[in-house]
This record gives sequence, C-alpha cells and structure tokens, in this order.
Amino acid sequence: KAGVTQTPRYLIKTRGQQVTLSCSPISGHRSVSWYQQTPGQGLQFLFEYFSETQRNKGNFPGRFSGRQFSNSRSEMNVSTLELGDSALYLCASSLEAEAFFGQGTRLTVV
Amino acid sequence: QQQVKQSPQSLIVQKGGISIINCAYENTAFDYFPWYQQFPGKGPALLIAIRPDVSEKKEGRFTISFNKSAKQFSLHIMDSQPGDSATYFCAASNEGGSQGNLIFGKGTKLSVKP
Repeated sequence: KAGVTQTPRYLIKTRGQQVTLSCSPISGHRSVSWYQQTPGQGLQFLFEYFSETQRNKGNFPGRFSGRQFSNSRSEMNVSTLELGDSALYLCASSLEAEAFFGQGTRLTVV
Repeated sequence: QQQVKQSPQSLIVQKGGISIINCAYENTAFDYFPWYQQFPGKGPALLIAIRPDVSEKKEGRFTISFNKSAKQFSLHIMDSQPGDSATYFCAASNEGGSQGNLIFGKGTKLSVKP
C-alpha cells in the first residue's frame, strides 16, 4: 500500500510570491491534515480536510489556505510569501485516529 | 491553551540502555496520545499510541506509560540501539472533537552511543 506522497520535495521561492503544495493521501483515507515544522516552533497544525470540507483550522494567517478534491488529494497554498514561511510542510492522512505523514515539502523563501 | 510539554530536549544513552522521554498535557479532553519518530529528511512515523483507558502499552522494545491523574505520559525504549537515534515527538488529540488535529510536543533528540 503506497504511503502519503507529497510533491514537490523541495521548493525555493522569493518573498511575495505564492506557492502550492500537493498531497496524495493513503488510498481509502478521507482525512488530510497539514502541519508546518520549523526548528523554533516545532510541529504546528495548519488545517484538516475531510470529504472536501475544512473540518478544523489552526492559528495561521489567511495567507495559508487549502482544499481537498473528491479523490481526497489535497493542496495547500501560501500567498505573499514571507521569509518566516520557510519550513518543512507535512501532510498527514488518517482513516481513524492514526495519522500517517508524508516526507514533506521543504520550502525555502529567499 | 492546549499544550503538550515534552522533556528532555535532548538525550544521550549508551547502547543497551533505557531511553525515557516524558510528556505532560493540560487538556483533559485529550483522548489519544501517539508517539512519533522522525529521522532527518523524513516525515514523522507513528511509533506507538495509547488511550486513557489503559495505563501501559508495550510494542516490542517500546512502552508507553500513562498516568491520567497526573496528566503525564512517557515513552520508554528498552535496549536502546544506535538505529534508534532520531527525534521523538509526543502528541495528543481530542479524537471525539476533531480527528487529525494533533498537538505536538517540541521533540526530544535521542542519540544512542555504541
């Protein structure tokens, strides 16, 4: 069974640009969550989608948004990038309580 | 404020020793407590998890001890091996309230010396 797939693995963007990250969950998993990981703040919850609906949202500005498609694949978008958005962005898919993470997308904002 | 406090930040253990990582939480609504292991360049991998209705869960060399009254839980790694060297995160969630919303501790970097 394939795991959670995140693309791309690495990204370099310039301040002010926007970026879209993609996540394909484990087959059969309908819940997809996004997390930001930084050395200073650790792992922080961004939002969760279930059956194409945002079910929960963390404490991040509106520049961070996401969506989920009918096949459960999810994308997250960050607009007007800031240097502080440099981080590892992790996607996790869940069937019940257990969350399985992808390898993440390393975003560097210069 | 929902928080999970993890200690120590870093831990050095000799091969064959016992590694112990502790976590404390505040929100009594939490009902699911997983531990994750993360190697550099990889995403966190689910190691073992426990619910508040049991005080201990063991899977191989990994054991979670849970103290509901103290709102604390810990991970014990028996017979620690160099391959266990990684960063470990405890987490908590209120599954009944919002599935998938894990609150993570800050992590413990474990180094197992040969």
